[in-house]
Amino acid sequence: GENVEQHPSTLSVQEGDSAVIKCTYSDSASNYFPWYKQELGKRPQLIIDIRSNVGEKKDQRIAVTLNKTAKHFSLHITETQPEDSAVYFCAARTLGSQGNLIFGKGTKLSVKP
Amino acid sequence: NAGVTQTPKFQVLKTGQSMTLQCAQDMNHNSMYWYRQDPGMGLRLIYYSASEGTTDKGEVPNGYNVSRLNKREFSLRLESAAPSQTSVYFCASSELISHTVNTEAFFGQGTRLTVV
Repeated sequence: GENVEQHPSTLSVQEGDSAVIKCTYSDSASNYFPWYKQELGKRPQLIIDIRSNVGEKKDQRIAVTLNKTAKHFSLHITETQPEDSAVYFCAARTLGSQGNLIFGKGTKLSVKP
Repeated sequence: NAGVTQTPKFQVLKTGQSMTLQCAQDMNHNSMYWYRQDPGMGLRLIYYSASEGTTDKGEVPNGYNVSRLNKREFSLRLESAAPSQTSVYFCASSELISHTVNTEAFFGQGTRLTVV
């Protein structure tokens, strides 16, 4: 089955700096890669996703890149703000099949003012 | 629009007791999932149901059973609770098929379960 590795487990940056979180996946059939943000005590919520037919996707300060050959994808947050502090999860799934949604172990991002 | 609703929000069980966590979604999604979240372990898939009438084991199914009662509802049962099952449980739902349909997974608010 699919295995998703996520690094780093914790990340601390100064406000205004960029943050990068990296994930690798094992199943070459996976073709959908979402990122979720979970604030303390709340449910995970989707912030951006990418499908295997594109290499990069951007939404304001957030971008995701995908390297299918290397089977890794990354989340980039620019101009970080204190409200970006949360736990971020990457995940992988195969569209158009009975595939399930497997998550990485999460990255706790702290943005210091 | 309620989205995904889980009950209960909190529960304390004694070792050996049984209980069922309820989950319902009103988005007409085909796929539903149960995850447990433990510190440092992320979200681990317990069981999932790709569509009504089907269920499959995830990463950590031991000690759990599920029922896809209908398209809306997917329940998780602990037959004999153990302290190792102390966790926060999340139900989620999504669409599954097609490259053009929004496949975002929506989560319930979670159930904090403590087994003593």
